[in-house]
Amino acid sequence: SQQGEEDPQALSIQEGENATMNCSYKTSINNLQWYRQNSGRGLVHLILIRSNEREKHSGRLRVTLDTSKKSSSLLITASRAADTASYFCATDEGTDKLIFGTGTRLQVFP
Amino acid sequence: ETGVTQTPRHLVMGMTNKKSLKCEQHLGHNAMYWYKQSAKKPLELMFVYNFKEQTENNSVPSRFSPECPNSSHLFLHLHTLQPEDSALYLCASNAQRGAYNEQFFGPGTRLTVL
Repeated sequence: SQQGEEDPQALSIQEGENATMNCSYKTSINNLQWYRQNSGRGLVHLILIRSNEREKHSGRLRVTLDTSKKSSSLLITASRAADTASYFCATDEGTDKLIFGTGTRLQVFP
Repeated sequence: ETGVTQTPRHLVMGMTNKKSLKCEQHLGHNAMYWYKQSAKKPLELMFVYNFKEQTENNSVPSRFSPECPNSSHLFLHLHTLQPEDSALYLCASNAQRGAYNEQFFGPGTRLTVL
C-alpha cells in the first residue's frame, strides 16, 4: 500500500515566493527523504531527515518532521523557475527499500 | 550525473517483441532496484537485488524478467508486453550502509508498447 501521500498534488507560484509541500505516512520510519524529478528524468536525492530530528536545512530547502503526526514538510524558499519539477517524499522503514509518495508537481513562473 | 546509467533511453516495441533494458552503476553500491513510473500513479517498486540476490519481487508479471549478473549491472528482460506496460522504467542503486538508505537513480528508459 502507498506509504506517503503528498499534498498538494500540484502547486503554481511566482519566482521569489516560497513553496511548501507536505507528506503524510502511515508506519514507523528510520528516516524520511525528499527527492526531486525533472520531467521524464530520474529522481535526485535532496535531503534526508532522521526520525529523531525535527528540522533540517540545506541551502534554500527546509524540511520538518513530526513523527507524532506522521508528517513532513518541504519548504523551498525564494523559488526559481529552475525549481520547477515534481517532488517526492520517501520513507525508510529499515528494510532495503524506500516507499515513495505520490508527488507534488511544482511550477514556478518567471 | 548520479553515476547510474540506463540504456536505451527510449524504446518502442510491439507486443510480440523481446527486448532488454540495461542499468549500470559506477558507485560501488550493493543494492539495485527497478521501478515503474506510470502517468498519474505513484512510483512502483518492481524488483530489489542485494549483493546480486533478488530480495523483492513486488508481484510483477512474469513478462518482466530481471537479471543481476554482478553488483554493477542490472537488466530487465521484456517479452510479450501489453500497452499498459508503457511507462518510464527507472533503475536505482544504494550502498546499503546502515540507516542512510539514499538511492541514486538513473535517467530512466521511456518504454512505449504498441
